[in-house]
Amino acid sequence: EDQVTQSPEALRLQEGESSSLNCSYTVSGLRGLFWYRQDPGKGPEFLFTLYSAGEEKEKERLKATLTKKESFLHITAPKPEDSATYLCAVLLGGNQFYFGTGTSLTVIP
Amino acid sequence: DTGVSQDPRHKITKRGQNVTFRCDPISEHNRLYWYRQTLGQGPEFLTYFQNEAQLEKSRLLSDRFSAERPKGSFSTLEIQRTEQGDSAMYLCASSLGSDTGELFFGEGSRLTVL
Repeated sequence: EDQVTQSPEALRLQEGESSSLNCSYTVSGLRGLFWYRQDPGKGPEFLFTLYSAGEEKEKERLKATLTKKESFLHITAPKPEDSATYLCAVLLGGNQFYFGTGTSLTVIP
Repeated sequence: DTGVSQDPRHKITKRGQNVTFRCDPISEHNRLYWYRQTLGQGPEFLTYFQNEAQLEKSRLLSDRFSAERPKGSFSTLEIQRTEQGDSAMYLCASSLGSDTGELFFGEGSRLTVL
């Protein structure tokens, strides 16, 4: 059965304390892996797409990487405004996106 | 604003009533998706359209739920005879329709069933 698992469920960081979020997947026929940011009460906001193992994407303090079984979202020197829930999603055949349950990140000033 | 828009943003209804949500996608996007999200969970796929054709529906979508996308533009999601378990955020997303295109989400419609 296709599965997407994110860890940890919640993460509290001091401002400037770098860390990584994990998204592991057991799916067949992965066509893409996507990272989204979601603020409370709002829809998810697209961050990155990764298509193949070894690929990396960067945007400001965020860097996403992909292996054959998992993806990491690295956050370097986070700021309070980075506080949000980070979701990963996999795109399989049939154009369905399957989302993980997310990691709730809190960055403390 | 050229993003995905959803209406209403909030809906409170009594159990047994019907509700309808509307989604206006980004104009050049031919794929439109509906998702449901409950607190602490990721978005859960409901259905998707390619232009006006509804190509896929989740097995979780009961017959009380119906979605349409007439003329391949805006879409509506109707829930008949609402139940308390239908309380959730209903998210609409659109994409360009390339094989691996990302989804662009609206702000969602929050439903509370009393």
